[in-house]
Amino acid sequence: AQTVTQSQPEMSVQEAETVTLSCTYDTSESDYYLFWYKQPPSRQMILVIRQEAYKQQNATENRFSVNFQKAAKSFSLKISDSQLGDAAMYFCAYRSEAGNTGKLIFGQGTTLQVKP
Amino acid sequence: DVKVTQSSRYLVKRTGEKVFLECVQDMDHENMFWYRQDPGLGLRLIYFSYDVKMKEKGDIPEGYSVSREKKERFSLILESASTNQTSMYLCASSPVVRNSPLHFGNGTRLTVT
Repeated sequence: AQTVTQSQPEMSVQEAETVTLSCTYDTSESDYYLFWYKQPPSRQMILVIRQEAYKQQNATENRFSVNFQKAAKSFSLKISDSQLGDAAMYFCAYRSEAGNTGKLIFGQGTTLQVKP
Repeated sequence: DVKVTQSSRYLVKRTGEKVFLECVQDMDHENMFWYRQDPGLGLRLIYFSYDVKMKEKGDIPEGYSVSREKKERFSLILESASTNQTSMYLCASSPVVRNSPLHFGNGTRLTVT
């Protein structure tokens, strides 16, 4: 069975600085998808970025980018020019290509604090 | 924009009560999910449904059941609520598209006393 691990329960960053959140996963599959979600205090889960495992190029969405290392089974999220609105809990998630059920397996989450 | 609506934001129930958590999505998605969120454990899948009247157990189905009589509605049922079911419950939906993310509701924080 696949597992996702976020080893940093809490992180903090100074406003305008860069922070990297770590995520590792375990799978025997070669095709899958990876996601980062943000959950602010409003509790609404917001998709930040997604990565297809077959793509070598790292995904980027404005200030958010990933470092996808398939061999190492690592999927870290880099937030550049951090803003106060980035303060939230961040979840890494894995989706299998097999079966196409759409279900995601989530990590434990990392709470990000942004200091002004 | 996809809208996933959970009927209650906060709910307080007594031990032994039967509890219904309702979720409705407006985008004709085939897949619907119920997750439970607990500190330090992330989100864990309780049940999911890939079509009307079809359901599959997730990782932690014990103590829960689900109902999907209509495509847009997916209900989570706690047959006899217990204090260890105090948690945040998140409903989500997605289409049957390979790289589609899940679209989440705002969550229901359930307290069982």
